[in-house]
Amino acid sequence: KQEVTQIPAALSVPEGENLVLNCSFTDSAIYNLQWFRQDPGKGLTSLLLIQSSQREQTSGRLNASLDKSSGRSTLYIAASQPGDSATYLCAANSGNTPLVFGKGTRLSVIA
Amino acid sequence: NAGVTQTPKFQVLKTGQSMTLQCAQDMNHEYMSWYRQDPGMGLRLIHYSVGAGITDQGEVPNGYNVSRSTTEDFPLRLLSAAPSQTSVYFCASSASYNSPLHFGNGTRLTVT
Repeated sequence: KQEVTQIPAALSVPEGENLVLNCSFTDSAIYNLQWFRQDPGKGLTSLLLIQSSQREQTSGRLNASLDKSSGRSTLYIAASQPGDSATYLCAANSGNTPLVFGKGTRLSVIA
Repeated sequence: NAGVTQTPKFQVLKTGQSMTLQCAQDMNHEYMSWYRQDPGMGLRLIHYSVGAGITDQGEVPNGYNVSRSTTEDFPLRLLSAAPSQTSVYFCASSASYNSPLHFGNGTRLTVT
């Protein structure tokens, strides 16, 4: 059974800093891994999806990597802005199964 | 393009009452699912469906029923509400297991 962990639970950085959010998973037979953003009181918004055959995906200032052998994914945010403040969740599945979510990292970018 | 629409946004129930949380999507997605989100527990899967007429249980299915009579709709029924079901409920859909998951804005349920 896939289990997903995100550490730290919360992170505070000054504006302009580059930062990395971490995600680890237990089953290396991963089908895909997805990163989401959740603003307070809102639903989740899909940011990036990495297929099992891919090593990374990029969208604007966001870059997500996948290392199946170590069971890790990272979300890199370049030149952080206050508008990036939100909770970031990663989720993974194994084969044709539903996504299993981590508990998220709450990011605060201080102006 | 509305995406995933959940109703109601807020609901207060008394213990023992029943209700249905509605979820509809207009993207012709085959896969739909219900999650609950609780502080410290993260998102947990309740039920999911891979197409009309097909449903399956997730991690925390007890106390909830679902049906999938159409591709668009996936209602979640609370049979006899309990305070432990106080939570925020999210419906999500995707074209397949290997496609981005789209979420609704959630239903905040309080059971007193």
